[in-house]
Amino acid sequence: EPEVTQTPSHQVTQMGQEVILRCVPISNHLYFYWYRQILGQKVEFLVSFYNNEISEKSEIFDDQFSVERPDGSNFTLKIRSTKLEDSAMYFCASSSTGVGGGEQFFGPGTRLTVL
Amino acid sequence: GNSVTQMEGPVTLSEEAFLTINCTYTATGYPSLFWYVQYPGEGLQLLLKATKADDKGSNKGFEATYRKETTSFHLEKGSVQVSDSAVYFCALSHNNNDMRFGAGTRLTVKP
Repeated sequence: EPEVTQTPSHQVTQMGQEVILRCVPISNHLYFYWYRQILGQKVEFLVSFYNNEISEKSEIFDDQFSVERPDGSNFTLKIRSTKLEDSAMYFCASSSTGVGGGEQFFGPGTRLTVL
Repeated sequence: GNSVTQMEGPVTLSEEAFLTINCTYTATGYPSLFWYVQYPGEGLQLLLKATKADDKGSNKGFEATYRKETTSFHLEKGSVQVSDSAVYFCALSHNNNDMRFGAGTRLTVKP
């Protein structure tokens, strides 16, 4: 069964460093998403991406965040200068349709720890 | 804005007990509603969904009915198993397709 994969499973970084979180969405999907979950809190939408551009972003997704689809398979989230409060689990998701109601398939997540 | 409020956990039940996890939503228009489940060490998996009022989503013995009049989508299961132990998230998605999640409810089922 096709699945979304994410690497690394755990990333530890120093405050102020740049990190890139990687995702490989399901191959025939066209819509891609990033979410984050701070420990003990709810899963929060960050950004959606379609046709090589951002289609929606939340207030969390400020200038320190960027997303990219550098090739036909990867979808990355870059945090330019990490802060302590960026420590969270980051989930990538993909879907075949952008219409509300389409199932989003989630990866296992990357746990980011900023020291 | 669109939001979801779900019953806070943790919930601890004995095997074969009846489960209800409450979920209510606030949204303009007619969102789609979902329940996702997160087993220990894994990502989020879609459990069931409903895309319009009065629809009932069901999967693996779990059910939830989209109630527009009460803006609710409560999750139920008649007889839980130890393997149902997980965190359950209620979520909604509107036309812009960003998924809004509830805080999650941790369920532990004891033998």
